[in-house]
Amino acid sequence: DAGVTQSPTHLIKTRGQHVTLRCSPISGHKSVSWYQQVLGQGPQFIFQYYEKEERGRGNFPDRFSARQFPNYSSELNVNALLLGDSALYLCASSLEWGADTQYFGPGTRLTVL
Amino acid sequence: QKEVEQNSGPLSVPEGAIASLNCTYSDRGSQSFFWYRQYSGKSPELIMFIYSNGDKEDGRFTAQLNKASQYVSLLIRDSQPSDSATYLCAVNPGNQFYFGTGTSLTVIP
Repeated sequence: DAGVTQSPTHLIKTRGQHVTLRCSPISGHKSVSWYQQVLGQGPQFIFQYYEKEERGRGNFPDRFSARQFPNYSSELNVNALLLGDSALYLCASSLEWGADTQYFGPGTRLTVL
Repeated sequence: QKEVEQNSGPLSVPEGAIASLNCTYSDRGSQSFFWYRQYSGKSPELIMFIYSNGDKEDGRFTAQLNKASQYVSLLIRDSQPSDSATYLCAVNPGNQFYFGTGTSLTVIP
């Protein structure tokens, strides 16, 4: 079975632009979470979606938004990009929501110039 | 106070030795505890999870949980150079995952 997939692998944007990152969970998993990881830090929670509904939101500005589709795939959108948004964006898949075990995708490396 | 605290290291051990990685957490209501391994430039890979007090063993890895002390640890026996990575502790009180900053481990051949 395929693991969590994310696209694109790498992305370069300039300040003020918008970006959309995509994630497909492990087959059968209904929950997707998004994380931001800057160099030297652990992943920071952004959103969790379960059955197409937002179930959790971390301490990120409203420039960050996400959604989950009927096939359980998900998109993370970031508007008005700042230099500080440069990071590895990780998608994690879990069978259910809450405290269930999460499995990470390979990530999308976003560079904002 | 951070939700999850880890010693950032670096921790160096000789090949074949036991590596001990430690983590403390602040939320007493935390229900599940995880250890992830992250190689440089890669995404975190799940090593183990533990829910109950005590020890849980999986091959060369042993996770130890002490909820009273709010402490979780990971022991790696017979350390190999391929174990050189950053180890992330994650804690979930039921609503979201909180990660530590990770401990960098180097196993010296």
